[in-house]
Amino acid sequence: EPEVTQTPSHQVTQMGQEVILRCVPISNHLYFYWYRQILGQKVEFLVSFYNNEISEKSEIFDDQFSVERPDGSNFTLKIRSTKLEDSAMYFCASSITPQGIYNEQFFGPGTRLTVL
Amino acid sequence: GENVEQHPSTLSVQEGDSAVIKCTYSDSASNYFPWYKQELGKGSQLIIDIRSNVGEKKDQRIAVTLNKTAKHFSLHITETQPEDSAVYFCAASNSGGGADGLTFGKGTHLIIQP
Repeated sequence: EPEVTQTPSHQVTQMGQEVILRCVPISNHLYFYWYRQILGQKVEFLVSFYNNEISEKSEIFDDQFSVERPDGSNFTLKIRSTKLEDSAMYFCASSITPQGIYNEQFFGPGTRLTVL
Repeated sequence: GENVEQHPSTLSVQEGDSAVIKCTYSDSASNYFPWYKQELGKGSQLIIDIRSNVGEKKDQRIAVTLNKTAKHFSLHITETQPEDSAVYFCAASNSGGGADGLTFGKGTHLIIQP
């Protein structure tokens, strides 16, 4: 069964450093998402991406964050200058169509980001 | 914006018994309510979902009910089995056609006691 994959599974970085989290969505999917979950808190929506541009974004997704689909398979989340509060699990998801039609988002296993 | 509350945070039931997890939402415009199951080291998997034009949906041992007036929706698992042990998340969104994000509850850790 096709699945969303994410690398690395765990990333440790120093405060102020840039990190790139990578995701490979399901191959025929068109909509891509990033979520994060700070320890002990809810999973929060960050951004959605379609047709090589941001479709929706939350208040959390500020100028520190950017997303890119650099090639036909990868979808990346970049955090420019990490802060301690960026420590969280980051989940990538993809869907074949937007919410209004076939709603299922398929989630990856997550990348645990630790900022020291 | 939308806010989803989920209860309980931990639920322990005997194998074979039923489990019920409840969620409430705040935005009356929300019209899509999925439930995800997360097992250790794996991506969350959709187990059932419901749209606001129906009140109940069932798939074998799993059912979801929706009360739009009260803004409640619940997950029911009957005849629980050890493999049902996982963290379950409810979510809500307004599927207005855009690539909207899901708003999640905090999760319920379901433990099936043998």
